Amino acid sequence: QVQLQESGPGLVKPSETLSLTCNVSGRPMTRGSYHWSWIRQSAGKGLEWIGRMYIRGGTNYNPSLKSRVTISIDTSKNQFSLKLSSVTAADTAVYYCARMAELGIKGLYYYMDVWGKGTTVTVSS
Amino acid sequence: DIQLTQSPSSLSASVGDRVTISCRTSQDINNYVNWYQQKPGKPPTLLIYAASLFPSAAPSRFSGGGSGTDFTLTITNLQTEDFATYYCQQSSSPWTFGQGTKVDIK
Repeated sequence: QVQLQESGPGLVKPSETLSLTCNVSGRPMTRGSYHWSWIRQSAGKGLEWIGRMYIRGGTNYNPSLKSRVTISIDTSKNQFSLKLSSVTAADTAVYYCARMAELGIKGLYYYMDVWGKGTTVTVSS
Repeated sequence: DIQLTQSPSSLSASVGDRVTISCRTSQDINNYVNWYQQKPGKPPTLLIYAASLFPSAAPSRFSGGGSGTDFTLTITNLQTEDFATYYCQQSSSPWTFGQGTKVDIK
């Protein structure tokens, strides 16, 4: 059974870069056609998709965050990472990593079927 | 971006009730909608994908329907463990979520 676990600093200073890692256990990330995503949740904006990276290459980012976001995968460690630069208080949220599955039946469907427990990140000086 | 509007924002129900939550999208998205359940302090869990398909782990009392711009999540025979917040999500990039519907005990 696949499990995901986020890790990283819980406090980041304004204007700095937020860096989080998601460790994937129970199955190699390279097995199957999955995308690896980051989502965040704040009281003010609800659930917000940040971006995804396809195991076979290619990334998509939320246009509202695209200029500040980088997602990368390290298959040797079976983990993927999020970097969000120039953070402000508005980036304070619970950050989740998730596995995004794809289903091809009369179209290509995507859904997040496995989630990490989430990690709280506060942006404050 | 495609906007999703859920209604109601909250509702009170009793064990055994049938509950229906609506999700309306700002443009036609065929059936590219997923539904998630979230309990306090926990991550969302997948209930329904592709509008009406359900993962093996999801209880059969949950069902989804709709296409185009109007979608529904129905819970039949509401159980105590179903008191939670429910979110719809559209799966055309960029992925967006509804604002959530909180189901609590009457």
